[in-house]
Amino acid sequence: KAGVTQTPRYLIKTRGQQVTLSCSPISGHRSVSWYQQTPGQGLQFLFEYFSETQRNKGNFPGRFSGRQFSNSRSEMNVSTLELGDSALYLCASSEQSYEQYFGPGTRLTVT
Amino acid sequence: ELKVEQNPLFLSMQEGKNYTIYCNYSTTSDRLYWYRQDPGKSLESLFVLLSNGAVKQEGRLMASLDTKARLSTLHITAAVHDLSATYFCAVEVRGGATNKLIFGTGTLLAVQP
Repeated sequence: KAGVTQTPRYLIKTRGQQVTLSCSPISGHRSVSWYQQTPGQGLQFLFEYFSETQRNKGNFPGRFSGRQFSNSRSEMNVSTLELGDSALYLCASSEQSYEQYFGPGTRLTVT
Repeated sequence: ELKVEQNPLFLSMQEGKNYTIYCNYSTTSDRLYWYRQDPGKSLESLFVLLSNGAVKQEGRLMASLDTKARLSTLHITAAVHDLSATYFCAVEVRGGATNKLIFGTGTLLAVQP
């Protein structure tokens, strides 16, 4: 099976802009989770989607949102970007609540 | 909120030496993961530990889990330079049908020749 894919792999945005990141899970996986990795805060859970519904959300401001489509692909959106949003954003997919498999990540730089 | 503490944060060791990375967590969990991350890369799954007393080994790495002590260890035997990377433990938190991972701070391992 093909692994988790994320697009784009690298992104540079300016403060105040918004950005959309995409994640395609492993075929058959209906759960998609998003994580943010920064040098200061480490790896933090953003949210989880299952069958187009957000099942769990981490402690992030409302500027961070996401959605999942009927084919299980997921997008996350960050509005009004801040410098502190610069991070590696990782997507992970799983079958129900089993082991999560991580994608290659999207490196977002906010200038 | 579940807290996951790893130590040490940084480990410099010589090739051929043994060492252990520790992962302590604050509340009950039945599943613990170890990941490896190379610079600029994503997370590579190393071990999934599902029950108390679980021990898994792959090459020079061995992981164990003590759910009663809320402690997992990653033991490195006869380190080689290729093991240089950052290692994370992650504890799974379940709530109903959903689960999320709470990660430790990571241990940066540098194996010197």
